[in-house]
Parts: sequence; structure tokens; C-alpha cells
Amino acid sequence: GENVEQHPSTLSVQEGDSAVIKCTYSDSASNYFPWYKQELGKRPQLIIDIRSNVGEKKDQRIAVTLNKTAKHFSLHITETQPEDSAVYFCAASGGYSTLTFGKGTMLLVSP
Amino acid sequence: EPEVTQTPSHQVTQMGQEVILRCVPISNHLYFYWYRQILGQKVEFLVSFYNNEISEKSEIFDDQFSVERPDGSNFTLKIRSTKLEDSAMYFCASSVLAEGTGELFFGEGSRLTVL
Repeated sequence: GENVEQHPSTLSVQEGDSAVIKCTYSDSASNYFPWYKQELGKRPQLIIDIRSNVGEKKDQRIAVTLNKTAKHFSLHITETQPEDSAVYFCAASGGYSTLTFGKGTMLLVSP
Repeated sequence: EPEVTQTPSHQVTQMGQEVILRCVPISNHLYFYWYRQILGQKVEFLVSFYNNEISEKSEIFDDQFSVERPDGSNFTLKIRSTKLEDSAMYFCASSVLAEGTGELFFGEGSRLTVL
């Protein structure tokens, strides 16, 4: 089955800095890669996703890049704000298969 | 905005007891899921459900677990005889399309504590 590795487990940045979270996956058949944000005690919420026919996708301060050859994808957050502090999970799935999540990255943005 | 709702938000039970967690998926969604998250760990897939039957399940989803859609709105997860290691947050989710093709919407979760 699919295996998703996520790094780093914790990331501390100053407000205004950029943050990058990286994930690798094992199943070359995977073609859907969402990122979820989970605030403390809350549900995971989708913030951005990318499909394998696209190399990069942007939504305001958030971008995701995908390298299918290397089987890795990354989340980039620019101009970080304290409200970006949360746990971020990457995930991967292929076709109609279920999502496999990474272990999460706790992002701490200090004012 | 439509949401997935779950009840109870927190349940405390004794080891060996049966527990039923309830979910109301978003009304026009066709695919339903249960995930669990042990405190501080990643979200783990349990089971997916479509067209009134299980479409996929993980190794975690053993004979102690079952799911049901008893009516047109509810989707339940039953744990027959709870173990200490079942303590976790259980998330219900739903989607319009199958996973891998569309966004998954999660409920707020039901925290299960087994003593």
C-alpha cells in the first residue's frame, strides 16, 4: 500500500517568513495530493490539493509543488501569520483508493 | 455552509463495552468514511462506504468494528467490545465523489476514551 513520509515534524518560523513542508510517497499510481490543516482540537480542513497532471498550484499565500518523478510534493506558505499555526497533514491517493496521510507537521508562527 | 456533524463529541466508556458513534454526512454526498486519530498522531483510515456497502477497509477495521447507514441521513460506527487502544478521536468524513477525485469533508470528531 501507499506510504507517505512527511518532514519536518515541527517547524518554527517568525511571522513574515516562509514555511516549507515536504512529503514523499511510495505508490507511483497515486495521483491526488491534498493538504489539510488541523487547528488544536478541530477537524482537518482541506487547504489546497494538486493532481498529478499539474506541477504547481497556488492559492494566495499557499502553494503546492509536485515532482512525480521523484515522488515528492511540498507545501509552501509565504508571509506566515500567527493564525497559520496548526498541524499540517499531507496525503496521497490513487484513483478511487483511500487517502494515506503523513504524520503531520506542527507549524508554529511567532509574532 | 453544509457540514458533517458527529455525536457524541466525547464519550467515556469501560473496556469491553459497546460504543456507537454517529455521523450525519453532508446531504448530497455519496461516499462516507471513518478515520481515527490517536492523540498526537496522524489521521488513519478505517473504512469507506458507498452504495450501502463497505468499499474499502484498513487492517485496523477488524471484526470488532462495523458500520451502518440505518436511514437516509445517519452513518454509524460501532465498536463491539472496546479496548484501551481504541481510545482516539474518530472522524467521520464524506465526499461527493470517491476519494482521489474530490474533497473530503471531515466532521468535528468524537473523542472516545476507554478506561
